Amino acid sequence: DAKTTQPTSMDCAEGRAANLPCNHSTISGNEYVYWYRQIHSQGPQYIIHGLKNNETNEMASLIITEDRKSSTLILPHATLRDTAVYYCIVRVARSGNTPLVFGKGTRLSVIA
Amino acid sequence: DAGVTQSPTHLIKTRGQQVTLRCSPKSGHDTVSWYQQALGQGPQFIFQYYEEEERQRGNFPDRFSGHQYPNYSSELNVNALLLGDSALYLCASSLFGGQGFYEQYFGPGTRLTVT
Repeated sequence: DAKTTQPTSMDCAEGRAANLPCNHSTISGNEYVYWYRQIHSQGPQYIIHGLKNNETNEMASLIITEDRKSSTLILPHATLRDTAVYYCIVRVARSGNTPLVFGKGTRLSVIA
Repeated sequence: DAGVTQSPTHLIKTRGQQVTLRCSPKSGHDTVSWYQQALGQGPQFIFQYYEEEERQRGNFPDRFSGHQYPNYSSELNVNALLLGDSALYLCASSLFGGQGFYEQYFGPGTRLTVT
């Protein structure tokens, strides 16, 4: 079973920041927080991951609380192409090929 | 650099039949994982192949089997198809072991419909 809890759906206005929350209260010390997204009719796509520090890349920012029990994925300037299902996953990063355990994710709709 | 490719894109089968789905991993990757995604659900892990052997398996019956070839490509076979096997089947490739960050790259999937 997934070790994360996410809202079922969210809306965001185009050009605004999209903030997607995730709860992972049972996360272990060696588990990372990963985010993937799945645009309609495509395979999931990696976005970002982190352990305890905030992370930023060209796609998004990841904010992890100090107690690591929750995190927020931020898309700074959402576009219509960001409409997708976003999955928050906890996983041991250095296990080579530990399978990804997906929940139902958050369906983000970016509205013009 | 070719990404993960899967074939066919869509497939319609009848209950009781057998099906084979194919996956070619991203260049440089040696491990293939298969996932099943039912409508409205997140992907569920079926099994993983490395060095032509099944290394890990999720909670799926023996009707689901696989194979990996020396060129790292892989097949997923499903026997005695049930209506409940209708789903999007996703292949993901990765690099086994080593140091660093382990991202799985997904293909576009094969949509299987069982009637």
